[in-house]
Amino acid sequence: GESVGLHLPTLSVQEGDNSIINCAYSNSASDYFIWYKQESGKGPQFIIDIRSNMDKRQGQRVTVLLNKTVKHLSLQIAATQPGDSAVYFCAENIGGSNYKLTFGKGTLLTVNP
Amino acid sequence: GAVVSQHPSWVICKSGTSVKIECRSLDFQATTMFWYRQFPKQSLMLMATSNEGSKATYEQGVEKDKFLINHASLTLSTLTVTSAHPEDSSFYICSARDGTTGELFFGEGSRLTVL
Repeated sequence: GESVGLHLPTLSVQEGDNSIINCAYSNSASDYFIWYKQESGKGPQFIIDIRSNMDKRQGQRVTVLLNKTVKHLSLQIAATQPGDSAVYFCAENIGGSNYKLTFGKGTLLTVNP
Repeated sequence: GAVVSQHPSWVICKSGTSVKIECRSLDFQATTMFWYRQFPKQSLMLMATSNEGSKATYEQGVEKDKFLINHASLTLSTLTVTSAHPEDSSFYICSARDGTTGELFFGEGSRLTVL
């Protein structure tokens, strides 16, 4: 997978493979991170979140890894399915409890059958 | 089902007219709502934070007189795009924070096309 840059990164995988989507965040004060999935024409859908006092969190087929040293976040999707095809965004909450989120640029995941 | 509803889901208007988009929390009271704008193939950009009963807080570069936000109740926030122009065509998305649980939910978005 590619880190967030000035373009929309793309990741193409085969069905059944594992996917890794990366995100670099900028603010060392960020204390809460969320991964969202966005399908075309729809709003963001919550996938998984992680707080800054953790470095790993697992959900159903998804795992989020947080490396605060290098300000890097990744989303791992196991056994990727065609229905996983979407744009994935990381979002960071820069301190506080009001959920004022800053979104990364997103990664387009395409799953080939 | 959706816990945050946006209406309309899509709207087409003529240049110079105003358009109102509603964001409703269906199962909870939202003390804070957020409005985002998303251009094609780009990320969500926060426009403003809407707190019930008080004035919205706008992000830098967002014109408060053009994008009027009203959060008159704990379940409804509205965004009015005044004197819309083609460059305002975008996907507008709201999110709402449950005042009791703190959870955040996103709406399904409203696509505005200004001719």
